[in-house]
Order: sequence, then C-alpha cells, then structure tokens
Amino acid sequence: GESVGLHLPTLSVQEGDNSIINCAYSNSASDYFIWYKQESGKGPQFIIDIRSNMDKRQGQRVTVLLNKTVKHLSLQIAATQPGDSAVYFCAEKYTGGFKTIFGAGTRLFVKA
Amino acid sequence: DADVTQTPRNRITKTGKRIMLECSQTKGHDRMYWYRQDPGLGLRLIYYSFDVKDINKGEISDGYSVSRQAQAKFSLSLESAIPNQTALYFCATSAMRGRNDTGELFFGEGSRLTVL
Repeated sequence: GESVGLHLPTLSVQEGDNSIINCAYSNSASDYFIWYKQESGKGPQFIIDIRSNMDKRQGQRVTVLLNKTVKHLSLQIAATQPGDSAVYFCAEKYTGGFKTIFGAGTRLFVKA
Repeated sequence: DADVTQTPRNRITKTGKRIMLECSQTKGHDRMYWYRQDPGLGLRLIYYSFDVKDINKGEISDGYSVSRQAQAKFSLSLESAIPNQTALYFCATSAMRGRNDTGELFFGEGSRLTVL
C-alpha cells in the first residue's frame, strides 16, 4: 500500500500464489490510473491502466480494481513468478491535465 | 536499443560541481519530463516540456535547470550540486492523442547521481 517516508512497504509471496498490491490515491478529480513495475536497475514500465468509468480491467495475469468511493486501487497478479519481483507503483492522473502523481511504491518479493 | 536513453547511467561528483544529465528519445513524443526518485518517496517531477519552446517547473525544481535542445533531447543540469541531490533521476516521455495526453509515461533506465 501507500507510504510516505523512507521505508518501502513490502509484500512477500510464494511462487505460484496470487499477489495483491494495494494503493490509496489522493485526488478525487483523477480519472486515469496506472500501475508501473520497476525492476532493479531499470526505469518504471507500464503494466496496466484503468479509467474512472471502469471498476475492473484485466490483462495477462494482472487485474486492476478501482474503488472510487474509497479512492482505492489494487493490482492483482495471478500465479506470481520470480520475474514479478520488483517495485510496483500506482499512479493517478487527471486526463485534462498532464501531471502524474506517483505513490511511494510496494516492493514485491517472490519466494521460490 | 532503448527508446529513451539517459547518460550518464552513474555519476559521482563533489559538492559545488556542475552536472548535466542528458536524455534522448526515439519515440517521436513531444512531451518530456525529468523525475527524481528517492527511497520511499516515489517519483517527483522536477521539470517538464511539452515542446521545444515550452519549459515548465515541476514540484521540486529548485537547484535544477533544463534545456530542450530538440524534440528528441531534454537535459537536466545541477548548477552547483549538493549532497541532498543524491538520487536516481529518470527522464520520461509521453504521447498526445488529439488534445489529451494519453497518460502512459515511457521511462529511461535512470541516472544514479551521488554528490559527496
């Protein structure tokens, strides 16, 4: 989930299990939400997005859920693999503007 | 080859030195950004540029300057580096669809800067 400060929230899962990473967003006007994955030594990379007129969107092994009532976003990864180990960032945006607001990130560890 | 290329990837410098981080992109995007990443703080926007003649400050622009030399090139400068500018710096681009930003950011692989 979200955190402000020096300590990154971590999630440790067993290979093959499902992972759920949570995020609370801040701006009620945000209408576009994105999950990014950042592997060690690399820049963040787009995983999946969702617009505010939807509450669920599925990709390959990933699902994003949006609850606008409580301003909550989650990323579900099915059958988590070692290659899923990374830091995951949620991001929010108002599409009439330009600024993307990033969460602090969650580090996912996958145990073999 | 990477679509968004940053140089240098790593740099160690001393307090007071001038540092330039360079970014070039082959995606053909008009919008370019510089972000700073610190542990536990996510990514924070330093400067952004919507085209060659457009430069704007982000949320943490103090101590930094930028130059948009061409559509494909956007450089970040630290005129007089200080230790609390030690961080990982990312360049990013985004595309427009009509009048709206598509939303997705494309990042370079980062430039790690250490100021002693």
